[in-house]
Amino acid sequence: NAGVMQNPRHLVRRRGQEARLRCSPMKGHSHVYWYRQLPEEGLKFMVYLQKENIIDESGMPKERFSAEFPKEGPSILRIQQVVRGDSAAYFCASSSPTGGAHNEQFFGPGTRLTVL
Amino acid sequence: DQQVKQNSPSLSVQEGRISILNCDYTNSMFDYFLWYKKYPAEGPTFLISISSIKDKNEDGRFTVFLNKSAKHLSLHIVPSQPGDSAVYFCAASGSGGSNYKLTFGKGTLLTVNP
Repeated sequence: NAGVMQNPRHLVRRRGQEARLRCSPMKGHSHVYWYRQLPEEGLKFMVYLQKENIIDESGMPKERFSAEFPKEGPSILRIQQVVRGDSAAYFCASSSPTGGAHNEQFFGPGTRLTVL
Repeated sequence: DQQVKQNSPSLSVQEGRISILNCDYTNSMFDYFLWYKKYPAEGPTFLISISSIKDKNEDGRFTVFLNKSAKHLSLHIVPSQPGDSAVYFCAASGSGGSNYKLTFGKGTLLTVNP
């Protein structure tokens, strides 16, 4: 009865390196959402994916950030050439495709990215 | 441009008393509102929600009130318990094609003292 799983829980990168954050949705969920929480801020929507499709990436920075949700395996949020401003908590959420007009989103524990 | 505002960063109440957390929004396209609870080092957990066609929704000790004309909602917890101590986020979503996109406030840290 596992919930949304994210790994790693903590990630430290030096400026210029790449960060890869993984998210496994709840069983039976095919919709994945990524949110970012900067220090002292609320969570901000980044991207919404379904299997093999990006539905809405309007909240994602245009450069260095990309996301995917392949047919098999977890969803990946990739940040290239990280900068200090990327330091944040990144939360993944998932929902069922049959959840009605306002699908409840279940959140994972987050990945805390620190850029040195 | 904060569309969902939680103006109180923190709130402290005594066990057994009522906790009232407030939230204001500016976007009149929002029609669904949610409260999430978050413990340190964990993800947000859904608590309670309300549709804009209602003005009140109750679930056990938790009640959410919505005042559409004032664009204001509040979460009442009664009686408050020490285990309720957490950060509470107000969130909102719109209707139609982008109803999945949750807009969060900055959160209110609730401390319930024994």
